[in-house]
Amino acid sequence: DARVTQTPRDKVTEMGQEVTMRCQPILGHNTVFWYRQTMMQGLELLAYFRNRAPLDDSGMPKDRFSAEMPDATLATLKIQPSEPRDSAVYFCASGFYGEIAFFGQGTRLTVV
Amino acid sequence: QKEVEQNSGPLSVPEGAIASLNCTYSDRGSQSFFWYRQYSGKSPELIMSIYSNGDKEDGRFTAQLNKASQYVSLLIRDSQPSDSATYLCAVDGYGGSQGNLIFGKGTKLSVKP
Repeated sequence: DARVTQTPRDKVTEMGQEVTMRCQPILGHNTVFWYRQTMMQGLELLAYFRNRAPLDDSGMPKDRFSAEMPDATLATLKIQPSEPRDSAVYFCASGFYGEIAFFGQGTRLTVV
Repeated sequence: QKEVEQNSGPLSVPEGAIASLNCTYSDRGSQSFFWYRQYSGKSPELIMSIYSNGDKEDGRFTAQLNKASQYVSLLIRDSQPSDSATYLCAVDGYGGSQGNLIFGKGTKLSVKP
């Protein structure tokens, strides 16, 4: 049963700390996405990769967020330093080109 | 700023009725359109994709696309309480299969037994 795996599922951290979220996309999918979901803004695209190359990260605050895909089985999203306004659910998703086939279960981040 | 608009609802329909969910988008060049369902506390899951004008049917679900009016809809026939969820419309933001999917904020559907 193919699925996108995200870790951790929940993260509570103090303001100013570094947060790293990890994602294992479905093998064979050529596009990996990072989204953030809040009640106010809904789902916002942060960044996405095609064949491991970053295509667009314009949705991320560049001064604190970074996304990488060191190999085909791992995508990471880092926030340093974290701020309370970063509190949200972060989803990784994978698929082919412009279609998201599967979302991961999400990382619920709370920055206090 | 490319936008995808949905009525937030809640949309309440009785069991067995047809639920009609609507979505409008701002980018006339968009070519790929998707509907996702999200249960409370869960991740979105893909229900339908549509790329051409007209209707596309899959079981109880029908997606309708009208590019001239920049309008996408999802019809759910014989609605069941298990269909109660938030339905998200997504549109490609660069006028092609690039990957910049823009989501609406979703319509919450409630199906009453």
